[in-house]
Amino acid sequence: DPKIIQKPKYLVAVTGSEKILICEQYLGHNAMYWYRQSAKKPLEFMFSYSYQKLMDNQTASSRFQPQSSKKNHLDLQITALKPDDSATYFCASSQGTGGYEQYFGPGTRLTVL
Amino acid sequence: QQKVQQSPESLSVPEGGMASLNCTSSDRNFQYFWWYRQHSGEGPKALMSIFSDGDKKEGRFTAHLNKASLHVSLHIRDSQPSDSALYFCAASVSNMGYKLTFGTGTSLLVDP
Repeated sequence: DPKIIQKPKYLVAVTGSEKILICEQYLGHNAMYWYRQSAKKPLEFMFSYSYQKLMDNQTASSRFQPQSSKKNHLDLQITALKPDDSATYFCASSQGTGGYEQYFGPGTRLTVL
Repeated sequence: QQKVQQSPESLSVPEGGMASLNCTSSDRNFQYFWWYRQHSGEGPKALMSIFSDGDKKEGRFTAHLNKASLHVSLHIRDSQPSDSALYFCAASVSNMGYKLTFGTGTSLLVDP
């Protein structure tokens, strides 16, 4: 069974619209993260949450808002979508926030037209 | 400037051969280093971590860290076709161990 579920796997949106990317982890981890992987760019850290509290936000835009309704959930709401937001978004989790191994989900591939 | 640089960009080795991947960081604050592997259509998966200078071996994989030169390498012996993937070096600072800075990746192809 998959330990980190991301939904949907593929997502197509129009410019200016809003989408929510879903992430659930069943590893019992206390920390969760979002990363973005764009074409020709390395994986980029976006957010970190620990015990449902925001620890770090490295996104310059307020259009990206993480939402944690449960300890094992960390969704990502993106508003006013732009074509530059097209990327694969990965959710990850780890046991703690020190040098622990991060486990990545399969990703949601977002295309903004 | 990218804080974590990887080389080569792509690499092809025969099955059973040795693959050597390199990673250099430009930030002396980086203390924790990881190697991740990503197969097409999947999320990255950690291969191994290395936090101290020297070698660390796990099965067919050996990582080497030299903090003085900010250089990390990964050597894969007896390469298998299933090792064909993107390999990423990732680094973090000690007080923010969760925040991984990834390199640009090395695409490895193992020819059967």
